[in-house]
Amino acid sequence: LAKTTQPISMDSYEGQEVNITCSHNNIATNDYITWYQQFPSQGPRFIIQGYKTKVTNEVASLFIPADRKSSTLSLPRVSLSDTAVYYCLVGSDTGGFKTIFGAGTRLFVKA
Amino acid sequence: GAGVSQSPSNKVTEKGKDVELRCDPISGHTALYWYRQSLGQGLEFLIYFQGNSAPDKSGLPSDRFSAERTGGSVSTLTIQRTQQEDSAVYLCASSLIGTRNRGEQYFGPGTRLTVT
Repeated sequence: LAKTTQPISMDSYEGQEVNITCSHNNIATNDYITWYQQFPSQGPRFIIQGYKTKVTNEVASLFIPADRKSSTLSLPRVSLSDTAVYYCLVGSDTGGFKTIFGAGTRLFVKA
Repeated sequence: GAGVSQSPSNKVTEKGKDVELRCDPISGHTALYWYRQSLGQGLEFLIYFQGNSAPDKSGLPSDRFSAERTGGSVSTLTIQRTQQEDSAVYLCASSLIGTRNRGEQYFGPGTRLTVT
């Protein structure tokens, strides 16, 4: 299974853009990159998924360079409610998306 | 619509007792996962079921842990002879392989297990 590396924690202020970068040097050809968000006392929730280049939805953007060895989750204009743990995972249909949730990145958004 | 449900929400048990944790996945989801999360830690993969295939049990920490999925739907995670280090939140997730968001997992609220 491809291992991912993320910063342990990040601080930001309301209204700022936050970029969280994840390294996945051993990503396989069939792997997709998925990000989840987890609030305290809740299970993780899907945010965004991509394979290459850029993906954008109503919540975030995901930037993936050509070599796919890293990815960056971009949260525009964060608010206090974006304080959570963000997990980066890689996986594919072949592996049943049995993915490893690491420790994630704890984002603290301050007023 | 109905999401993933888990029961009980909280379970306190004495060391050495057996416990059963239940997961009801989203109807029609073929894949089901169990994870364990200790306080302040990431999720630890335990076991994965996909359709009628043999489950992937590679994450189970010891032979005291077992899980089954009946009829491709409800799953039960059993922990025998519980130990204090088994205390954690046990999360269940289900997904439908092959959808637009590949492998998107929907998580239940978890069962908080405390072994005294």
